[in-house]
Amino acid sequence: NAGVTQTPKFRVLKTGQSMTLLCAQDMNHEYMYWYRQDPGMGLRLIHYSVGEGTTAKGEVPDGYNVSRLKKQNFLLGLESAAPSQTSVYFCASTMGATLSYEQYFGPGTRLTVT
Amino acid sequence: AQTVTQSQPEMSVQEAETVTLSCTYDTSENNYYLFWYKQPPSRQMILVIRQEAYKQQNATENRFSVNFQKAAKSFSLKISDSQLGDTAMYFCAFINAGNNRKLIWGLGTSLAVNP
Repeated sequence: NAGVTQTPKFRVLKTGQSMTLLCAQDMNHEYMYWYRQDPGMGLRLIHYSVGEGTTAKGEVPDGYNVSRLKKQNFLLGLESAAPSQTSVYFCASTMGATLSYEQYFGPGTRLTVT
Repeated sequence: AQTVTQSQPEMSVQEAETVTLSCTYDTSENNYYLFWYKQPPSRQMILVIRQEAYKQQNATENRFSVNFQKAAKSFSLKISDSQLGDTAMYFCAFINAGNNRKLIWGLGTSLAVNP
């Protein structure tokens, strides 16, 4: 049981390049989330999904897109990277059918945009 | 607006001593859950303790306990017998039941445990 995994762990992009971050969970969780973490700003929700095939915007969605084609995977895309997107990105998941609200986190991806 | 406030950006404590981290929150809901997460230098987010708002009894997990004051909307974390491995950022968060499972986060408290 790997929990929540993220690929890649580190990435450096040039301004204007695109990339996709992959999040995978093997806990059969319904809900999945993408956060970014910047110094002094805590965790901010980018996008989230309440089930396979559904996505919704969080508090900072601009410049990002997401897809949830399979229940276990949640992809975060940057179409044209900007230096302001330099951050650490976390994926998380939680159950939907039970009352457990704990979010389980991946190890994070450190992205630098130059 | 739903918010979480952690008024102590940084704290330090001597090894083996006790430290309390503060957290206040604001919600108009009655059914919600509160959490303390720990983020050590490894960056991994780890759940420390969870409290259901409908429970009056304060949650305890080994050396970690909370003081939950629902009327005051306060949720402090007490760490007893502090260990060097407790050095980390600590985040307070809450979630309203049924709210698409979206956590509301505080900005964190950086705790240093000194030998």
